[in-house]
Amino acid sequence: AQKVTQAQTEISVVEKEDVTLDCVYETRDTTYYLFWYKQPPSGELVFLIRRNSFDEQNEISGRYSWNFQKSTSSFNFTITASQVVDSAVYFCALSGVSSGAGSYQLTFGKGTKLSVIP
Amino acid sequence: NAGVTQTPKFRILKIGQSMTLQCTQDMNHNYMYWYRQDPGMGLKLIYYSVGAGITDKGEVPNGYNVSRSTTEDFPLRLELAAPSQTSVYFCASSQRGEGGYEQYFGPGTRLTVT
Repeated sequence: AQKVTQAQTEISVVEKEDVTLDCVYETRDTTYYLFWYKQPPSGELVFLIRRNSFDEQNEISGRYSWNFQKSTSSFNFTITASQVVDSAVYFCALSGVSSGAGSYQLTFGKGTKLSVIP
Repeated sequence: NAGVTQTPKFRILKIGQSMTLQCTQDMNHNYMYWYRQDPGMGLKLIYYSVGAGITDKGEVPNGYNVSRSTTEDFPLRLELAAPSQTSVYFCASSQRGEGGYEQYFGPGTRLTVT
């Protein structure tokens, strides 16, 4: 069975601080994919990044960066110089390639609510 | 492109009533999904479809039914609504389904059963 754990339920930071959101996953698949989604207060889910299990390169996109470490089964997300618009719930999700529903569904963590205070 | 659209945005049902949540996508995606999101929780898969005429159960299918007569539409039917079905429902679609393709989500339907 797949599992995603986001141990941080809520985080508050002051604007311009850096913040890291933790994600730890469990899977028996050797090939799998990890995702981060953002859910702003308006409620929609916005795709941020996808990473496959064979690509451990870190990725940077503007103020966002992701650190994937297979050795610790973690896929952490850092926002540099946070802004009020970053306030949202962030979900880490996992998808495997085994047969059945598991190969299609995203297994989500419970999310981390980030509040950026001006 | 509108992407994934869902109607209605909000609905209140009485226990025992039925309703259909509509979902349409205009990206010509074969794969479509229904998730529910309970407060403080991540999303859980209810049903999914790999193409017109093909549907299958996800993690929490009880109390729901789906159909997929066209590529664009994937309605979710609630029969005999129960308070446990109070949730936010998201429809999603993806180009392919084998794990590596991001799913695009609709704006959600907030359903309350009282």
